[in-house]
Amino acid sequence: AQSVTQPDIHITVSEGASLELRCNYSYGATPYLFWYVQSPGQGLQLLLKYFSGDTLVQGIKGFEAEFKRSQSSFNLRKPSVHWSDAAEYFCAVGVRENNNDMRFGAGTRLTVKP
Amino acid sequence: DTGVSQDPRHKITKRGQNVTFRCDPISEHNRLYWYRQTLGQGPEFLTYFQNEAQLEKSRLLSDRFSAERPKGSFSTLEIQRTEQGDSAMYLCASSKPDPEGYNEQFFGPGTRLTVL
Repeated sequence: AQSVTQPDIHITVSEGASLELRCNYSYGATPYLFWYVQSPGQGLQLLLKYFSGDTLVQGIKGFEAEFKRSQSSFNLRKPSVHWSDAAEYFCAVGVRENNNDMRFGAGTRLTVKP
Repeated sequence: DTGVSQDPRHKITKRGQNVTFRCDPISEHNRLYWYRQTLGQGPEFLTYFQNEAQLEKSRLLSDRFSAERPKGSFSTLEIQRTEQGDSAMYLCASSKPDPEGYNEQFFGPGTRLTVL
């Protein structure tokens, strides 16, 4: 079965600094990959997704992610973090054969220092 | 597009009581999903419906849990004889058929359950 690992439980960055959140997945074929953001007490909002094609995908709010098959990774990046980016970020992997079976990582909590 | 809505947003109950949550999906979405999210974890899949048919259930969905989607629109998730371990955020999501082959799921704000 597929699984997702987000190695960093909590990351703190200064406002204006660059950000990279790590995500590693385990799956035998090319998966569907997603990054979601969750503000406290809220549901999940999709930032970006990868299905196929260009391995660098652009999302909302200035985020991007790069799919690296050789490293089984799908890291999320942002060149300059804003205070409003403070939230919980979840990486998720979906299975092509059963596209209702989506597995989430445990999440990375982002704190932004002024 | 009003998005996925869930009611109530918060529920506090005593152990042993029954609770019921409601989810209203995006109107043209035929698939509806329930997830459970405990503190410090990502969402875990519980069950999903295509129209009114419940097509898949996770092993996490014990006999005390039941979900319905009687008319293929809104759905309810009932937990009977609640236990403290049921305390979690219950998330609902909906999706529609996608020509690329993956049903992108849109999430509601969740119902936070606290069992005392």
